[in-house]
Amino acid sequence: QSALTQPASVSGSPGQSITISCTGTSSDIGNYNLVSWYQHYPGNAPQLIIFESSRRPSGVSNRFSGSKSGNTASLTISGLLIEDEADYFCCSYAGSSTWIFGGGTKLTVL
Amino acid sequence: QVQLVESGGGVVQPGGSLRLSCEASGFNFRGFALHWVRRAPGKGLEWVAVVFYDGNEKNYADSVKGRFTIFRNNSRNTVHLQMDNMRVDDTAVYYCARQESRRFDYWGQGTRVTVSS
Repeated sequence: QSALTQPASVSGSPGQSITISCTGTSSDIGNYNLVSWYQHYPGNAPQLIIFESSRRPSGVSNRFSGSKSGNTASLTISGLLIEDEADYFCCSYAGSSTWIFGGGTKLTVL
Repeated sequence: QVQLVESGGGVVQPGGSLRLSCEASGFNFRGFALHWVRRAPGKGLEWVAVVFYDGNEKNYADSVKGRFTIFRNNSRNTVHLQMDNMRVDDTAVYYCARQESRRFDYWGQGTRVTVSS
């Protein structure tokens, strides 16, 4: 199964908002409301920032929000901070005890 | 607090074997499914394998099926990944992750695996 499709990179200035898209198929994103998003600083443990497409774990800033429509999920980060510069990955449950990740998006805060 | 600590990474030749371990603490271990997820250099995250509560149910990504084996020891709070017939494209940092309702809510820091001749 191919990876979910994310833009390779996005950039924004401090204070701005950015949105990262994640496109799958009717077998994964389109079939389950089980998209999660992870923030990853290379060398560190990935961190869950959004689950079930739009829910935030406790302790995660409300500047992070998620949505889903059809086969595409989106992560929006508002009020960009320098510390938001990281890699972001979407993930969807794909049925039959399998999961699929996106290729990742490198966020640069200029 | 929940902790997952991986170990066992290293350098191995193509066709060789390696066993990764993940030691868990801070939660009811047998109540959660555990996964291995990897990130190759310059690439994205890739789900590798899952083992469910009593260890009898497990599943694998197609890329590792038949070569990797995941198993757990609920008395020692550990999960392992036995990697056989390894390939160059298995080179990655391997992460242990806990599953909560089909999301990965806690991750370890990872252990680095290099497959090279």
